[in-house]
Amino acid sequence: GAVVSQHPSRVICKSGTSVKIECRSLDFQATTMFWYRQFPKQSLMLMATSNEGSKATYEQGVEKDKFLINHASLTLSTLTVTSAHPEDSSFYICSARSKLAGGPLYNEQFFGPGTRLTVL
Amino acid sequence: AQSVSQHNHHVILSEAASLELGCNYSYGGTVNLFWYVQYPGQHLQLLLKYFSGDPLVKGIKGFEAEFIKSKFSFNLRKPSVQWSDTAEYFCAVNARGGKLIFGQGTELSVKP
Repeated sequence: GAVVSQHPSRVICKSGTSVKIECRSLDFQATTMFWYRQFPKQSLMLMATSNEGSKATYEQGVEKDKFLINHASLTLSTLTVTSAHPEDSSFYICSARSKLAGGPLYNEQFFGPGTRLTVL
Repeated sequence: AQSVSQHNHHVILSEAASLELGCNYSYGGTVNLFWYVQYPGQHLQLLLKYFSGDPLVKGIKGFEAEFIKSKFSFNLRKPSVQWSDTAEYFCAVNARGGKLIFGQGTELSVKP
């Protein structure tokens, strides 16, 4: 149980185009999903917290108009990198937290496999 | 502000050596602590977690960690490493709002 998927796993795009990454919780409902960015040989940097049905909360320094997050349902959140540039090339990882407060999964985040974005 | 510090950037060990990776956190409230592993080319996997109770936590693949509240530490240990333990290890603390704050990561290389 508690599986999170991401699609696509790898994407290459031209500079100036937009790319959408999907994050799905497959066997549980996720009130909250998190989006991280990981540079090579570095740690995960939290970009934003996404709550179902409300606007995402972005971390300091993350451009909300650049990284659009939508959490339309309890099992799906999307991250759209708009007008991508080479410096946006990175590994993007999502995680999801269970809806059930107090349940065994609530205080744990379950991670997706990540999406490797390369902007040419 | 909450933070997590991992002492070692890169650790190199021979097989069968013992492992201890340091992790210290800065957070005043009740903490949930985690160790994650990321094998080369793979996604993040949970090794073990501490929420409450026994401060000595046992995880998968023979790993364990000890929560020492007075030292704000949550060090990861394994008595005998294997070549397959070569990976990046991340310590994390669950902060306010459910956010995970990650340490910088420790790269472990195990020589066969």
